[in-house]
Amino acid sequence: DADVTQTPRNRITKTGKRIMLECSQTKGHDRMYWYRQDPGLGLRLIYYSFDVKDINKGEISDGYSVSRQAQAKFSLSLESAIPNQTALYFCATSEKQGLYGYTFGSGTRLTVV
Amino acid sequence: SQKIEQNSEALNIQEGKTATLTCNYTNYSPAYLQWYRQDPGRGPVFLLLIRENEKEKRKERLKVTFDTTLKQSLFHITASQPADSATYLCALVPNAGKSTFGDGTTLTVKP
Repeated sequence: DADVTQTPRNRITKTGKRIMLECSQTKGHDRMYWYRQDPGLGLRLIYYSFDVKDINKGEISDGYSVSRQAQAKFSLSLESAIPNQTALYFCATSEKQGLYGYTFGSGTRLTVV
Repeated sequence: SQKIEQNSEALNIQEGKTATLTCNYTNYSPAYLQWYRQDPGRGPVFLLLIRENEKEKRKERLKVTFDTTLKQSLFHITASQPADSATYLCALVPNAGKSTFGDGTTLTVKP
């Protein structure tokens, strides 16, 4: 099994629909992150959580919300999807010091039509 | 504001040559700098980390340098192979903080 599992892998949804992307990890890390990546662009941070009771907004949190259900689970919701939220979404985990880098999931390709 | 710049959008080199990728930053004092490899449609994979007090780090054919005076890191792949073709991302990490990623440089190694 992958260290970081994202579901679904691909999703097409309609404008205005609520959608949830799920992430689970087996690394035992406290820190989890949600990023979005658009073609030709880098990773932009949506939300991050340093432990179960800690949730923080990233640089592009508008239109998104998250839930940290357990140390191993961190889900991202789009409350009312819009076409410019079409992107590749990545979940990642890290240990506190970041000395071993981030471990990323395989991504969710989301298309909003 | 903090800014990370990675050199030219794409780098094309011949197999066997050394690829050199650049990561420059401004208004930032990272404790560490990380390099990742990303293949199309896949998540980035961590390659190397270098600390602010280290000048150079090596791992197999990879070498990373870090110059905090110039605010620059160089990432070298020696004896490059077509399998090294990918996008390479640098990330800056403050002490116990969260990483900030550059936009990446796409490397193509031609046989």
